[in-house]
Amino acid sequence: AQSVTQLDSQVPVFEEAPVELRCNYSSSVSVYLFWYVQYPNQGLQLLLKYLSGSTLVKGINGFEAEFNKSQTSFHLRKPSVHISDTAEYFCAVDGNMLTFGGGTRLMVKP
Amino acid sequence: ETGVTQTPRHLVMGMTNKKSLKCEQHLGHNAMYWYKQSAKKPLELMFVYSLEERVENNSVPSRFSPECPNSSHLFLHLHTLQPEDSALYLCASSHQTGKGETQYFGPGTRLLVL
Repeated sequence: AQSVTQLDSQVPVFEEAPVELRCNYSSSVSVYLFWYVQYPNQGLQLLLKYLSGSTLVKGINGFEAEFNKSQTSFHLRKPSVHISDTAEYFCAVDGNMLTFGGGTRLMVKP
Repeated sequence: ETGVTQTPRHLVMGMTNKKSLKCEQHLGHNAMYWYKQSAKKPLELMFVYSLEERVENNSVPSRFSPECPNSSHLFLHLHTLQPEDSALYLCASSHQTGKGETQYFGPGTRLLVL
């Protein structure tokens, strides 16, 4: 069995500030990890994924995430957010089937 | 534009109606998926097809009936739905099923059951 917990349902932040969206997972098998973004009235779009190798993964739009096996975490970060980053962000784990977390709504304020 | 289209984008139906959702992917993928996205709940995987054969059915009520006539098209037939079935229904595709595959999502059909 596997599960994903996104600790914050909403994260408000001012434009140009840094942000971290938290994700923790549990699984009895080795996993691959994903972050997807969903803009209003759209489907999900891949931001980045970790399969193997370097634990720091860089994605689109300046986002990056770090895989921490000992803490079973895969937190998403961006050093300076834009208004256009306002969206819902989903962490997902793939052990034998893709399982999504509940999502974090990032609200960037001017 | 992800290469996955869904129609209709919005649908309102009564509990006695029959309707169908359509998904089409233009990516040459072999796997297709239906997800249900409800408010305040994680995405729920409903069905998975690989090369037009159903490989996963996550205990979905029989009032939802999928159909995959070829690797580019996926349908979800709806009949005698309940108000709690109101949600955003997302279609996705991937090159193949299997660990680590990126899924490409359509924009969804927002369904309201009255």
